Amino acid sequence: GENVEQHPSTLSVQEGDSAVIKCTYSDSASNYFPWYKQELGKGPQLIIDIRSNVGEKKDQRIAVTLNKTAKHFSLHITETQPEDSAVYFCAARNSGGGADGLTFGKGTHLIIQP
Amino acid sequence: NAGVMQNPRHLVRRRGQEARLRCSPMKGHSHVYWYRQLPEEGLKFMVYLQKENIIDESGMPKERFSAEFPKEGPSILRIQQVVRGDSAAYFCASSPLDEGFNYGYTFGSGTRLTVV
Repeated sequence: GENVEQHPSTLSVQEGDSAVIKCTYSDSASNYFPWYKQELGKGPQLIIDIRSNVGEKKDQRIAVTLNKTAKHFSLHITETQPEDSAVYFCAARNSGGGADGLTFGKGTHLIIQP
Repeated sequence: NAGVMQNPRHLVRRRGQEARLRCSPMKGHSHVYWYRQLPEEGLKFMVYLQKENIIDESGMPKERFSAEFPKEGPSILRIQQVVRGDSAAYFCASSPLDEGFNYGYTFGSGTRLTVV
């Protein structure tokens, strides 16, 4: 099955700086890679996703890049703000075969220092 | 659109009791997924259901856990004879009918189960 590794587990950046979170996956057949933001006491919220036929996707201050050859993908947040503080999860899924759910990384606790 | 509704938000059970967690998917969504989250851990896939069908239960423990998504009403995750190790946050997610592309899941706010 799929295995997703996520780094770092904790990331502290100054407000206004950029933050980068990296994930690797093991199943070369995986073709869908969403990122979720989870605030304390809440459910995960989808913030951006990318499919394997695309190398990069951007939505305002958030961007995701995918390197299929190396089997890794990254989340980039620019001009960080206090409200970006949360736990971020990457995930991967193979939609071509079975009906398994998403496989998640263990999460990155992003702390924005004022 | 009320989103994915889970209840109860918090559930306390004594060891040996049964826990029933409910999930109503977003309007128009026909796929339901259950995940378990332990403290400081990611989300672990448990089961994927469509109406009246279990599509994939590869993440469900073999004993004491069951799930259903009846024709009418919410999806139910049932844990019989709960033990302390079942204490976790249980999240339900839903997605629309998959037409060959994955859609992002919409998660509920979760049920936090505490076994005492």
